[in-house]
Amino acid sequence: KAGVTQTPRYLIKTRGQQVTLSCSPISGHRSVSWYQQTPGQGLQFLFEYFSETQRNKGNFPGRFSGRQFSNSRSEMNVSTLELGDSALYLCASSFYKAPAHNEQFFGPGTRLTVL
Amino acid sequence: SQQGEEDPQALSIQEGENATMNCSYKTSINNLQWYRQNSGRGLVHLILIRSNEREKHSGRLRVTLDTSKKSSSLLITASRAADTASYFCATDDNQAGTALIFGKGTTLSVSS
Repeated sequence: KAGVTQTPRYLIKTRGQQVTLSCSPISGHRSVSWYQQTPGQGLQFLFEYFSETQRNKGNFPGRFSGRQFSNSRSEMNVSTLELGDSALYLCASSFYKAPAHNEQFFGPGTRLTVL
Repeated sequence: SQQGEEDPQALSIQEGENATMNCSYKTSINNLQWYRQNSGRGLVHLILIRSNEREKHSGRLRVTLDTSKKSSSLLITASRAADTASYFCATDDNQAGTALIFGKGTTLSVSS
């Protein structure tokens, strides 16, 4: 089985722009979660989706949004980029909902740099 | 919010030695998971231990959970250079529902 894939792997944007990141979960997985990883804040939970429904959202401003499609693929969007949005964005998938209760399979991440 | 906190933040050992990392958390949990991350890549799941379990093994890994002390430990026996990575504990959080909340991690360096 192919693993979780994330595109693009690297991205450079300037302040004020917007960006869309994509995540394709393992085939058959319906749960997708997103995380932001920075040296200062560590790994922070962004969103959790299951069967196209957002089940949980972390403590991030409204500039961060996401969605999940019927094929379980997910996208996250960040509008009006700020320097502090520079981070590694990780996506994880699992068959069952409730990430805290199940093994999560992570993608390689998208490295976003905001200049 | 940060639920788990790993200790130490960094650990350097020689190949063949054992490595112990600790995780403390604040609120009651249903499960605790450990993950490994190699040099800014994706995370790899190591072990999930449920709140009614006290110890779990997987190959050279041994995880313990003490819910009365709100702490867990990860022991890697006979470390290898390939074990060099960051290790994170992750739990659920009363405020975040079923989302997975990570600690800041322990960076393990194993030299040959």
